[in-house]
This record gives sequence, C-alpha cells and structure tokens, in this order.
Amino acid sequence: AQSVTQPDIHITVSEGASLELRCNYSYGATPYLFWYVQSPGQGLQLLLKYFSGDTLVQGIKGFEAEFKRSQSSFNLRKPSVHWSDAAEYFCAVALDSSYKLIFGSGTRLLVRP
Amino acid sequence: DAGVIQSPRHEVTEMGQEVTLRCKPISGHNSLFWYRQTMMRGLELLIYFNNNVPIDDSGMPEDRFSAKMPNASFSTLKIQPSEPRDSAVYFCASRLGGETQYFGPGTRLLVL
Repeated sequence: AQSVTQPDIHITVSEGASLELRCNYSYGATPYLFWYVQSPGQGLQLLLKYFSGDTLVQGIKGFEAEFKRSQSSFNLRKPSVHWSDAAEYFCAVALDSSYKLIFGSGTRLLVRP
Repeated sequence: DAGVIQSPRHEVTEMGQEVTLRCKPISGHNSLFWYRQTMMRGLELLIYFNNNVPIDDSGMPEDRFSAKMPNASFSTLKIQPSEPRDSAVYFCASRLGGETQYFGPGTRLLVL
C-alpha cells in the first residue's frame, strides 16, 4: 500500500541552525509531493510542491526540498531556522490527478532560543 | 480573499447528539475535501467532492458520517449519532482544478 513516512516525530534545533526534515514515500511511480506546515491551532499551509522538472524546489518562508528518486525521498530543508518556524510539518503525496493527499504522521519542530 | 471558512471552530457535544460541521470553500474553487486529524491516525481524507458531486467517500468511517455539497459555496459534514471516538479536528480544503489544496482553520470537536 502507498505510504508516507516521516521518521522523526520531534526535532529540536537552535535558532539560526540549519534544518532538515525527512520524508520517504512508498509508491511505484513518482507521485506529486508536498510539504505543509501547521502552526498550533491553525490549518495547514502549503510550503512547496514537486511535480516534475528540477528536483530542488523552492518554497515560501525560505524552505526548499529536494526530490531524490533513488531514495524515494523528499526532504525539507532550511539553512537558518527562526523561532517562528516552530510548528508541525507534514509531508504528503498525491498519487494521481485527483490530488487526493496521503499525509505522513508529521514532525514537530521545536526551536531553542 | 477570505480563504476557506469553517464553522464552528470548536464544538463540544454529548455522545449521541447530532453534530454538523460547515465549510465554505474559496470562491471559484471546484473541488472540496474533508479531512480528520487525530493523534492516533494523523490526517485522513474522509471524502472528496468535484463540482459538488461526491467522487470518493471511501474514507468515511461509517454510516454515522455523511457529507453533502448542495452548491459550490457550501458543504456540511454530519455525524449522527456522535461518539467519543469521533473527537478530532476536522479540516475542509478546497482547490481550483490544479494541485494545490487550501485548508481551512479546522473545527475542533469534542464528544463527551
């Protein structure tokens, strides 16, 4: 069955440090790939998405993600984390043009001052 | 742009009562999705409408759940009768043709 794995439940980084959140998917073909962020008590906001083309995609708030087909991964990165980045981050895939999203379990990011 | 609007934002009810959650998608969007978020199961798609027609309701947990979209600007998710295990945050999302779904702020439901 198709699945999305985010192996890190929690990650804590210091403000100003770099960040990488991991995401792996299990699917025969290349799905459509997304990263969403959820601040406490809020809905989900799209950070970035990948469908095809350049495997390094830029998103909002200084985030980027790299699609690696050989590793079935789509890791999210940010070179310098700000305290306002503390939130929960969800990786998601859509398997076809219906764009039904399958979400990972999320990674909660804590930022140390 | 007001974004996706959900009401109520919080709902507390007693087991056995009927609960109705409401969603107003972004104007002009033609697809609408209902999701449920729980600690145990994460984010799950419940049902998906396209042009007001239910396309896939395979995620609806059981007959106690029903969803309607009478027009392009309004959808409801109803639980009757409600049970404590229905306690969750319910999100509505909409999109226009393409791939990006825009999520509402969610309704936090607590069934006592």
